[in-house]
Amino acid sequence: AQSVAQPEDQVNVAEGNPLTVKCTYSVSGNPYLFWYVQYPNRGLQFLLKYITGDNLVKGSYGFEAEFNKSQTSFHLKKPSALVSDSALYFCAFSGGSGNTGKLIFGQGTTLQVKP
Amino acid sequence: EAGVTQSPTHLIKTRGQQATLRCSPISGHTSVYWYQQALGLGLQFLLWYDEGEERNRGNFPPRFSGRQFPNYSSELNVNALELEDSALYLCASSPGLAGGRHTQYFGPGTRLTVL
Repeated sequence: AQSVAQPEDQVNVAEGNPLTVKCTYSVSGNPYLFWYVQYPNRGLQFLLKYITGDNLVKGSYGFEAEFNKSQTSFHLKKPSALVSDSALYFCAFSGGSGNTGKLIFGQGTTLQVKP
Repeated sequence: EAGVTQSPTHLIKTRGQQATLRCSPISGHTSVYWYQQALGLGLQFLLWYDEGEERNRGNFPPRFSGRQFPNYSSELNVNALELEDSALYLCASSPGLAGGRHTQYFGPGTRLTVL
């Protein structure tokens, strides 16, 4: 079955330090990969997506993600974390071998940035 | 530009009742998607509508249904409510049928509580 996995339930970083939120995928064909962020009691906000081309994707709020086909990973990164980055982060994919229209989400990773 | 809007923000129902949730997509978007975010179950795809037609359906019972109106707004109906239907219901929209390469933009959600 096609899926994405976020191996860490929670990531803790100090403000100003770099952060990484991990995502691996198991998808046939050419998937489209996304990162979304969710603040408490809110909907999802789009951060960035990978469709094809440059493996390093830059997104909103200083976030970027690196697509690695050999490792089937799409980790989210930021060079310097802010306390306001604390939220729930979701990796997702669509496409792959079929056009179903749906996003398949990972289970989410809580990012906690401490002052 | 206005984002995806959903109403109501909160909805409280009792078991066996019916719930109706509404969604207005971003202007110009023809596709509307519904997702359920239940505690412990993550984000699950429910339905995809485009140009008034149901394009895909997730693994949910038939008592979950919906429709899309000519102005592309959408309604999600949940009949015979069960306690486990308590969740945050998220609506998203995107440009049309090109499918997964389009980013889905999410609304703030409707919190459904079934007592």
